[in-house]
Amino acid sequence: DTEVTQTPKHLVMGMTNKKSLKCEQHMGHRAMYWYKQKAKKPPELMFVYSYEKLSINESVPSRFSPECPNSSLLNLHLHALQPEDSALYLCASSQDQGNTEAFFGQGTRLTVV
Amino acid sequence: GESVGLHLPTLSVQEGDNSIINCAYSNSASDYFIWYKQESGKGPQFIIDIRSNMDKRQGQRVTVLLNKTVKHLSLQIAATQPGDSAVYFCAENIRAAGNKLTFGGGTRVLVKP
Repeated sequence: DTEVTQTPKHLVMGMTNKKSLKCEQHMGHRAMYWYKQKAKKPPELMFVYSYEKLSINESVPSRFSPECPNSSLLNLHLHALQPEDSALYLCASSQDQGNTEAFFGQGTRLTVV
Repeated sequence: GESVGLHLPTLSVQEGDNSIINCAYSNSASDYFIWYKQESGKGPQFIIDIRSNMDKRQGQRVTVLLNKTVKHLSLQIAATQPGDSAVYFCAENIRAAGNKLTFGGGTRVLVKP
């Protein structure tokens, strides 16, 4: 199983809503990542978890809150988002942090209205 | 190729021809350079990587060349097929910067039958 599964695939939320994005992998990878991708742009790193601990936070606003409940799951909690936060949110995992081969999910297409 | 504004550089290739995708980088401290492929509606997919102390690495139908003198990276795809149509991103990994995978600009490859 070389899949990273993200749910939901699409999400529309209001600026006052609270929602969560979910990501799951069963490859035994110990590093998991959240990236944000705007149209026609490269993915931008948001957070890195290594062995279930937050390793990197790329100065992401606090309205985005990551959580790693166990080695297979990664969540991204969203609260009070802005329309400019609309983007494709990609989850990825790799054997260890720094491994060049990361496996990406299909992403969650988020629209903030 | 670097993405500029809302427009991705595009390479149109005849099926069966070879493709060459270019990427310029600025950070000499990169430990690895990596190529990823992103098809429409999917997350990025690892293609090949090259360590910074190497000049060339070959995979199946792909070759990556690294010219550190001019800080240039290229991906050559032999006998391009319709399934190669995608956006290609170069990326780098820098251990000293926290061992994170950072993406550069993308190039869209369109394969004409």
